[in-house]
Amino acid sequence: AQSVTQLGSHVSVSEGALVLLRCNYSSSVPPYLFWYVQYPNQGLQLLLKYTSAATLVKGINGFEAEFKKSETSFHLTKPSAHMSDAAEYFCAVILGSGNTGKLIFGQGTTLQVKP
Amino acid sequence: ETGVTQSPTHLIKTRGQQVTLRCSSQSGHNTVSWYQQALGQGPQFIFQYYREEENGRGNFPPRFSGLQFPNYSSELNVNALELDDSALYLCASSWTSGAPTDTQYFGPGTRLTVL
Repeated sequence: AQSVTQLGSHVSVSEGALVLLRCNYSSSVPPYLFWYVQYPNQGLQLLLKYTSAATLVKGINGFEAEFKKSETSFHLTKPSAHMSDAAEYFCAVILGSGNTGKLIFGQGTTLQVKP
Repeated sequence: ETGVTQSPTHLIKTRGQQVTLRCSSQSGHNTVSWYQQALGQGPQFIFQYYREEENGRGNFPPRFSGLQFPNYSSELNVNALELDDSALYLCASSWTSGAPTDTQYFGPGTRLTVL
């Protein structure tokens, strides 16, 4: 069964510093992986998704993630944090093979950006 | 702005009552999924509707039910409310082409409190 684990429920960085949010997956089949962001009192917004076309995936707002099969990881990075990046971030995997849109989410990581 | 709306924004019910939550999808989207997000947790998949038929269910009891209508609206109904049903309920719509990575667009959610 597919699942994701997000390492670190809270991450704090200074404005301008590197952002690294960790996600490890467990899947018996090639996974489809996603990163979503949730701002306070809002729904989820897709940042990027891995569809097996390329291991380095670029998303919106300067974020990117690299799929590493050997490490079963899909960590999210951004070279320089901005105050507006403060939010909750979720890694997710598709449930089962061929199941459209049935996402399994991690517990989430709260990103704090300090001035 | 995803074009997906949910109503009401907030709702307070008492244990044992029934509740109906509504979602209005983007025009043309044939699939809607519902998720439950407890405080401090990642969203959990409840069920999905594709062209007005249920197309998969997560680990939720039958007192959670849904409907999808031809006018791109949908409902989540919960009977016999329990305290643990207190959560943010999110709907997500998409145009399903059959690819598991079809982008889902989330609404802002309905915050349900059960007393």
